[in-house]
Amino acid sequence: NAGVTQTPKFQVLKTGQSMTLQCAQDMNHEYMSWYRQDPGMGLRLIHYSVGAGITDQGEVPNGYNVSRSTTEDFPLRLLSAAPSQTSVYFCASSSANEQFFGPGTRLTVL
Amino acid sequence: GQQVMQIPQYQHVQEGEDFTTYCNSSTTLSNIQWYKQRPGGHPVFLIQLVKSGEVKKQKRLTFQFGEAKKNSSLHITATQTTDVGTYFCAGPRNTNAGKSTFGDGTTLTVKP
Repeated sequence: NAGVTQTPKFQVLKTGQSMTLQCAQDMNHEYMSWYRQDPGMGLRLIHYSVGAGITDQGEVPNGYNVSRSTTEDFPLRLLSAAPSQTSVYFCASSSANEQFFGPGTRLTVL
Repeated sequence: GQQVMQIPQYQHVQEGEDFTTYCNSSTTLSNIQWYKQRPGGHPVFLIQLVKSGEVKKQKRLTFQFGEAKKNSSLHITATQTTDVGTYFCAGPRNTNAGKSTFGDGTTLTVKP
């Protein structure tokens, strides 16, 4: 099992560009989430999904879209990147208890 | 909404000293989870506590869940350099396991 995989590992964007952060899990987990982590801070929930076809907003959803067409994949789309979206993004999946995190994507928006 | 507060934000210890981080919630939690994030890494699950007053041990780590299920602590005995990292507590926003509120974490540094 690869667990939770994320691509890319690093990305630099210019303000206004769009991109998709990929996340995939091979544990057949129903729950998947996207978090962002800023320096010295905890993890803030962006969007989450309780199963294929179902998504909902977290604490900081503005500027991000998600979809869940399959159990395995949960991509995060930045519609028009802004410098405030410079952060490390973590995807996580879970069954009933612990969350398994991917290695993260470090995004810089210039 | 539900808030989870952690103290201290930073802790610097000499190797061999003990370390404790505290987590407090504004509401009663059905459970609490603890995660460790090494520098440059991703959060890794350590443990989940469910019962009021529960105490669990993992080698030198002791986890407690308060009687009112609104606070928790993680205590490390005789810290080692391998303990460095940021320790997060997390409480569920509701019964949904995939939707958690994380504290801001306590970053531990250990001086050899």
